[in-house]
Amino acid sequence: AQKVTQAQTEISVVEKEDVTLDCVYETRDTTYYLFWYKQPPSGELVFLIRRNSFDEQNEISGRYSWNFQKSTSSFNFTITASQVVDSAVYFCALSEGGGTASKLTFGTGTRLQVTL
Amino acid sequence: DTAVSQTPKYLVTQMGNDKSIKCEQNLGHDTMYWYKQDSKKFLKIMFSYNNKELIINETVPNRFSPKSPDKAHLNLHINSLELGDSAVYFCASSQGTRKEAFFGQGTRLTVV
Repeated sequence: AQKVTQAQTEISVVEKEDVTLDCVYETRDTTYYLFWYKQPPSGELVFLIRRNSFDEQNEISGRYSWNFQKSTSSFNFTITASQVVDSAVYFCALSEGGGTASKLTFGTGTRLQVTL
Repeated sequence: DTAVSQTPKYLVTQMGNDKSIKCEQNLGHDTMYWYKQDSKKFLKIMFSYNNKELIINETVPNRFSPKSPDKAHLNLHINSLELGDSAVYFCASSQGTRKEAFFGQGTRLTVV
């Protein structure tokens, strides 16, 4: 069975600090997909990134970067120079296998609070 | 031009009532989902439809019945509402093997 663990329940940082959100996953499949979603205080779920199991290249998008390491089953998310607008709950998620349909198994989320 | 839209956004109702939540997506996706987010923010899938066919049905009480009249719509009907049904319900859609799901804004259901 697939499982996602986000051990950090809540993180508080001061603006401009860098912060890393941890994500550890479990799966028996060799083909799987990893995701990060952001849920700001307004409540919607915003897709940030998808990574497939065959692509371990790290990715950078502006102030966001993601580190995927199969050896440790981790898919960590770093925000550089955090801003107040980054305050949100961040969810890591896993989807197994191929086929036309899948389900996302979410971690419990990490609440990030960025203060001035 | 909202991609995935749900109505209503808020729903307050009494125990025992029956209610429906509607969802529509204009992304041309072939798969739609219902997820439930509880008070602790935990997100869990309830149902998934692919081309109007039910393909995922997690352990959900029979009081919950999804209906997909076409690929762009997935509605959720809930009978005999209970206090424990209070949650935020998210509709989502995805396209085939691309896997990433795009979510609606959520429907906050409160049963009193």
